Amino acid sequence: EDKVVQSPLSLVVHEGDTVTLNCSYEVTNFRSLLWYKQEKKAPTFLFMLTSSGIEKKSGRLSSILDKKELFSILNITATQTGDSAIYLCAVLRGGSNYKLTFGKGTLLTVNP
Amino acid sequence: AAGVIQSPRHLIKEKRETATLKCYPIPRHDTVYWYQQGPGQDPQFLISFYEKMQSDKGSIPDRFSAQQFSDYHSELNMSSLELGDSALYFCASSLLNREAFFGQGTRLTVV
Repeated sequence: EDKVVQSPLSLVVHEGDTVTLNCSYEVTNFRSLLWYKQEKKAPTFLFMLTSSGIEKKSGRLSSILDKKELFSILNITATQTGDSAIYLCAVLRGGSNYKLTFGKGTLLTVNP
Repeated sequence: AAGVIQSPRHLIKEKRETATLKCYPIPRHDTVYWYQQGPGQDPQFLISFYEKMQSDKGSIPDRFSAQQFSDYHSELNMSSLELGDSALYFCASSLLNREAFFGQGTRLTVV
């Protein structure tokens, strides 16, 4: 059974802080790891990571994957109140059984 | 840019009724996923399709079935609805092995 574990489950910070969200996984035939942001609606895609050690960056957000240790981190610098959301990590299985398995998410609250 | 379209957006049904949820993937996407998300929970995988063939199946009750049609749209059929089926149902689509994009979801309430 594929397993995705995120930590922390919840995090409260002040605007301007930097946060690191963690995701570890166990999956048969790993293909990629994806990060999504979910506010009160559908998850929106942030990053897809397939190779170890290559940082992906988008503005204040960045993410990296370690395939040897089976984890990924999502960093958000200079947080803003608009970053408040649930951040979901998901792993995509390869082969012929296409399945995206989600972790329980990290609820980030950024206070002004 | 075209996104994943789901309909209806909201649905209220009584226990033991049947519901059909529809999903129209992003054009040229060949993979469709269905997820169920209860309040405060992560999305639970139900079923996926690749090129109109079922690819993988998750914790989907026998009362639920899904298919993907020749035009690539997909339908999730839910029969003998129970109160516990009340949830947000998401459809997502992708190119094979690429990032999945989610529709806005159908909120199903069973009363």
